[in-house]
Amino acid sequence: QVQLVESGGGVVQPGRSLRLSCAASGFTFSSYGMHWVRQAPGKGLEWVAVIWYDGSNKYYADSVKGRFTISRDNSKNTLYLQMNSLRGDDSAVYYCATEGPYNISSGSGGLDVWGQGTTVTVSS
Amino acid sequence: QSVLTQPPSVSGAPGQRVTISCTGSSSNIGAGYDVHWYQQLPGTAPKLLIYANNNRPSGVPDRFSGSKSGTSASLAITGLQAEDEADYYCQSYDSSLSGSRVFGGGTKLTVL
Repeated sequence: QVQLVESGGGVVQPGRSLRLSCAASGFTFSSYGMHWVRQAPGKGLEWVAVIWYDGSNKYYADSVKGRFTISRDNSKNTLYLQMNSLRGDDSAVYYCATEGPYNISSGSGGLDVWGQGTTVTVSS
Repeated sequence: QSVLTQPPSVSGAPGQRVTISCTGSSSNIGAGYDVHWYQQLPGTAPKLLIYANNNRPSGVPDRFSGSKSGTSASLAITGLQAEDEADYYCQSYDSSLSGSRVFGGGTKLTVL
């Protein structure tokens, strides 16, 4: 079945780095744009980053631009999020999600498959 | 402050109809970009409920419907059930933020 499984979360000190992974199965990973979305404790959803199906384009939320890097390895069906210079407000559950098909004029597709999330806690 | 504005909470009795609004601006919903809606049950990952303004993924009951007009969108839930108690989020694209998807702040639905 279609599945996304995140890993790599944990407790990390401010200023340190962490890399999250998202393993995909049950669908043609290389055909889909992929996103990271996060949710701080008790807060709403915050979009983090997107990477196109072939890795040719990447975009980031202003809150993580210059610190986080999204990447993918289509040969391994895996999405990554490299997080550097972590801060306390980066503490959240991080979800990966696939984006459904859409026309450019529509702006975006719905995020139709989500992982279960991995928790990142930034604390000294 | 979220780019898309939702009411923090709504409530309704079983069997009733409730609506959740999502207000944007000329750089997102008002520019004609699609709106998507998600349901998040307590302790679980979000689930796509409505995509491209008014389309339901397979398996989503037709009690859920979406609409869009001008700079706003709405999610309607009819025949409210206890299992509908959850957080609901709208999402769109914003042309003023490079490549950016934007979420509403979320609405907590309480079934009385």
